[in-house]
Amino acid sequence: KAGVTQTPRYLIKTRGQQVTLSCSPISGHRSVSWYQQTPGQGLQFLFEYFSETQRNKGNFPGRFSGRQFSNSRSEMNVSTLELGDSALYLCASSLGASSAEAFFGQGTRLTVV
Amino acid sequence: KNQVEQSPQSLIILEGKNCTLQCNYTVSPFSNLRWYKQDTGRGPVSLTIMTFSENTKSNGRYTATLDADTKQSSLHITASQLSDSASYICVVSARDTGTASKLTFGTGTRLQVTL
Repeated sequence: KAGVTQTPRYLIKTRGQQVTLSCSPISGHRSVSWYQQTPGQGLQFLFEYFSETQRNKGNFPGRFSGRQFSNSRSEMNVSTLELGDSALYLCASSLGASSAEAFFGQGTRLTVV
Repeated sequence: KNQVEQSPQSLIILEGKNCTLQCNYTVSPFSNLRWYKQDTGRGPVSLTIMTFSENTKSNGRYTATLDADTKQSSLHITASQLSDSASYICVVSARDTGTASKLTFGTGTRLQVTL
């Protein structure tokens, strides 16, 4: 079956712009989580959506937002981009239970210049 | 505060040798522990998942152990191959209210296998 698909794979934006990243989960998965990965910080949890509702949220500023659609696809938006937002953004999908395995996409590499 | 610490931060070994990666956690209440392998520029891929009652789990040349009393886990790689070069991330899940879980990630161990 198809895995988690993230688009685009690479993105270059300038400071102050906004960006929208997309994630299509594995068919049947209702939970989508977003993570930011930087060399110094490792994986940092952004938020999790389950059945179109935000279920958990990490410690990121309000410039980071997301949503989930009825088909479980999710988007993440970052407004007023800063240089420090340059990172690999990973999306993971799962069935939703606490014991369910999370399957990661390939990520979107965002570079802010 | 839930934390996951991994050691060493990086490791270089010769092809064919064995190695062991460590993960110590302070996550409560504990739900499960996963080891992921992440190749450069790609998303993490699950290697093993262990619950409270499991001590050892193998996946090919990868063997994970869990000591829930001391809150330690290890990932042992046998007869390493060049393709094992990657980052290995320990992820601990805390049981939350309802069905939601909170994942705490280690910063990973960067393994390089050389000829």
